[in-house]
Amino acid sequence: DVKVTQSSRYLVKRTGEKVFLECVQDMDHENMFWYRQDPGLGLRLIYFSYDVKMKEKGDIPEGYSVSREKKERFSLILESASTNQTSMYLCASSPDRVPSNQPQHFGDGTRLSIL
Amino acid sequence: QKEVEQNSGPLSVPEGAIASLNCTYSDRGSQSFFWYRQYSGKSPELIMSIYSNGDKEDGRFTAQLNKASQYVSLLIRDSQPSDSATYLCAVNKDTGRRALTFGSGTRLQVQP
Repeated sequence: DVKVTQSSRYLVKRTGEKVFLECVQDMDHENMFWYRQDPGLGLRLIYFSYDVKMKEKGDIPEGYSVSREKKERFSLILESASTNQTSMYLCASSPDRVPSNQPQHFGDGTRLSIL
Repeated sequence: QKEVEQNSGPLSVPEGAIASLNCTYSDRGSQSFFWYRQYSGKSPELIMSIYSNGDKEDGRFTAQLNKASQYVSLLIRDSQPSDSATYLCAVNKDTGRRALTFGSGTRLQVQP
């Protein structure tokens, strides 16, 4: 089974702090993704990465950055946390092979509260 | 128009009935379609994928795809209270973008 592990289930931070959310997958997947999920808005893509050191902006990248130094690890960084970044953050991974559109497998999520 | 649209529900069905969940998408170039189940407070869990027109069955679940009409549906036969969850439709818009676009989900309630 695919295992995607997010470092924290719950996290409370203060506005202005730099926040790191970590995600590790054990299936040697090329693609990794960060989403946030808010009531009524569904899942929205923040950033994704298709290879080490490669990244692409998703639909809502403002206020976030990412790092992928190793294939198995994908980090989401909130440069200066704000209250509107309070949300559920979900990491996912998928293989990059034919057919090119493989399903994504999710971690358990991190519920982040910014006070 | 949202890229992937689902009725938010709740859809309420009695135990043992067939639950029918629908999803429409706007991009005709979409190639792959997925249904995820999400229990409250949990992360999405993949239950079905479908890539070509027609029906695909897996146990009590059947996914149906009609690319001409741009809709995909999920049927759950013999619905159980444990099926009560939010069901997310996800679409890969084209082969160049690896990320999925998700609908907002339909909340299903199965009444015992």
